[in-house]
Amino acid sequence: DQQVKQNSPSLSVQEGRISILNCDYTNSMFDYFLWYKKYPAEGPTFLISISSIKDKNEDGRFTVFLNKSAKHLSLHIVPSQPGDSAVYFCAASGNNNDMRFGAGTRLTVKP
Amino acid sequence: NAGVTQTPKFQVLKTGQSMTLQCAQDMNHNSMYWYRQDPGMGLRLIYYSASEGTTDKGEVPNGYNVSRLNKREFSLRLESAAPSQTSVYFCASRQDTTWGTQYFGPGTRLLVL
Repeated sequence: DQQVKQNSPSLSVQEGRISILNCDYTNSMFDYFLWYKKYPAEGPTFLISISSIKDKNEDGRFTVFLNKSAKHLSLHIVPSQPGDSAVYFCAASGNNNDMRFGAGTRLTVKP
Repeated sequence: NAGVTQTPKFQVLKTGQSMTLQCAQDMNHNSMYWYRQDPGMGLRLIYYSASEGTTDKGEVPNGYNVSRLNKREFSLRLESAAPSQTSVYFCASRQDTTWGTQYFGPGTRLLVL
């Protein structure tokens, strides 16, 4: 049972434009959400996180939005750069130390 | 600081063989995790250890065992490998149990024939 879902397997964006990656979750006990970025043949690396007490967190070009009532979060990248091309994973955790990941979205930023 | 290290990087096994995947972290983190990554499935949690001496099952524990040898090391054992266990295995560590970032190792690519 997939508790975290990323329904778009891939996304292609022009350099300089906005990239929006979406994630939905089903478990209302999740209270901490993260985005990871993964390049081929490497482990995922942390990008940005948000706790359930917030609805927005910003770090440079990256902003994560959380809509708790809809159980939805999104990652905005503005402006997108070719180096942002990677697979992005959404993850969620609650107080039981269990972390669940989505299937990932492959972002391609075209020059 | 090496972060999270994993050995081996790549392994080929025959069905029924056993092996242990090693993981170590030098960040003094309390929690450690083992995941597998399969195409279209994302990362699925196999086992985790919230602290030295404790281990808990994750989403897909069948066919695996783990040992939290000390605070630094967390190993994953396949007693009798099956082709369904062909995957990329990632180890991760985190300071806190609830909040905080997980740091991942580079992965072990396992092929079971």
